[in-house]
Amino acid sequence: AQSVTQLDSHVSVSEGTPVLLRCNYSSSYSPSLFWYVQHPNKGLQLLLKYTSAATLVKGINGFEAEFKKSETSFHLTKPSAHMSDAAEYFCVVSEGTYKYIFGTGTRLKVLA
Amino acid sequence: GAVVSQHPSWVICKSGTSVKIECRSLDFQATTMFWYRQFPKQSLMLMATSNEGSKATYEQGVEKDKFLINHASLTLSTLTVTSAHPEDSSFYICSARAGGHTDTQYFGPGTRLTVL
Repeated sequence: AQSVTQLDSHVSVSEGTPVLLRCNYSSSYSPSLFWYVQHPNKGLQLLLKYTSAATLVKGINGFEAEFKKSETSFHLTKPSAHMSDAAEYFCVVSEGTYKYIFGTGTRLKVLA
Repeated sequence: GAVVSQHPSWVICKSGTSVKIECRSLDFQATTMFWYRQFPKQSLMLMATSNEGSKATYEQGVEKDKFLINHASLTLSTLTVTSAHPEDSSFYICSARAGGHTDTQYFGPGTRLTVL
């Protein structure tokens, strides 16, 4: 069965410092993996997705993620955090029926 | 591109009434639409999957007679919460997937339902 584990429920960084949001997955298929961001009381916005092409995936707003099969990880990074990055981030794996398996989310706080 | 809208964005209703939430894909045809429920500070819980022109598939534990889903066209799906009760108060989010082999879902902005 597929599953997603987001290792940190909360992450706090100072503005201008790097962001690392960790995600591990388990999948018996070649997975599709996604990162979405959700601002308060809003829907989810797609940041980036991995679909078995390049292992380093670049997304919007300066975010990127690296697919590491040996570590079953898909961590999300950004070199320099902005205040506007404060939000909830979800790591998602897609199973064969096109359903999404969601991680529990990581709340990113950016300190001035 | 790939914009999904929901209407209304928020609704307050009395206990026992029914509420309809619309989900539209504005610039693409959605073969499949998904309905999620999200409790405060929690992840999304999939309620049901709807394919255009066929009956929705509900997840275990979701009452299909209470949460009626209709996917009448390739751009519109509706969720009707029947005989709503305060415990149905939640944030409801839809998503849409275009056809073919793509598995990317595009999400609507959500609907906040409050049942008094």
